[in-house]
Amino acid sequence: GENVEQHPSTLSVQEGDSAVIKCTYSDSASNYFPWYKQELGKRPQLIIDIRSNVGEKKDQRIAVTLNKTAKHFSLHITETQPEDSAVYFCAASAPNSGYALNFGKGTSLLVTP
Amino acid sequence: SQTIHQWPATLVQPVGSPLSLECTVEGTSNPNLYWYRQAAGRGLQLLFYSVGIGQISSEVPQNLSASRPQDRQFILSSKKLLLSDSGFYLCAWNHAELGEQYFGPGTRLTVT
Repeated sequence: GENVEQHPSTLSVQEGDSAVIKCTYSDSASNYFPWYKQELGKRPQLIIDIRSNVGEKKDQRIAVTLNKTAKHFSLHITETQPEDSAVYFCAASAPNSGYALNFGKGTSLLVTP
Repeated sequence: SQTIHQWPATLVQPVGSPLSLECTVEGTSNPNLYWYRQAAGRGLQLLFYSVGIGQISSEVPQNLSASRPQDRQFILSSKKLLLSDSGFYLCAWNHAELGEQYFGPGTRLTVT
């Protein structure tokens, strides 16, 4: 089955700096890669996603890149703000498994003022 | 617009007792449905998914089971809870091909 690795497990940045979280996946059949933000005690919220036919996608301060050959994808947050502090999860899914999500173990991001 | 409901929001159950968690989706038809579990401070583990009524795929062998009696209803059950079943249970839905998956508010289960 799919195995998703996520690094780093914790990340601390100063407000205004950039944050980068990296993930790798193992199953070449995976073709959809979402990122979720989870605040303490709440459900994960989809913040951005990318499909295998696209190399990069941007939404305001958030961007995701995908390298299909190397099987890795990354989340980039620019101009970080304290409200970006949360746990971020990457995931991969494939059509042959009902698009069920295989998650990385999460990155706890702390943005200090 | 689509809405996903889960209940109960919190639950405290003794070891060995049964469990039934319910999830329903409104505003759509023929969704894919999913159950995930998140242990305290940990990542999300896929438990079951369903692409149609009566169709259940299990990802992790354990003492849990799932059923989909109606198109927009997904139920997670156990006959006898273990301490290790404690966690945050999240139901999710999407439409195949579209990919985007959305989570319900979750049920926080504590097994004592």
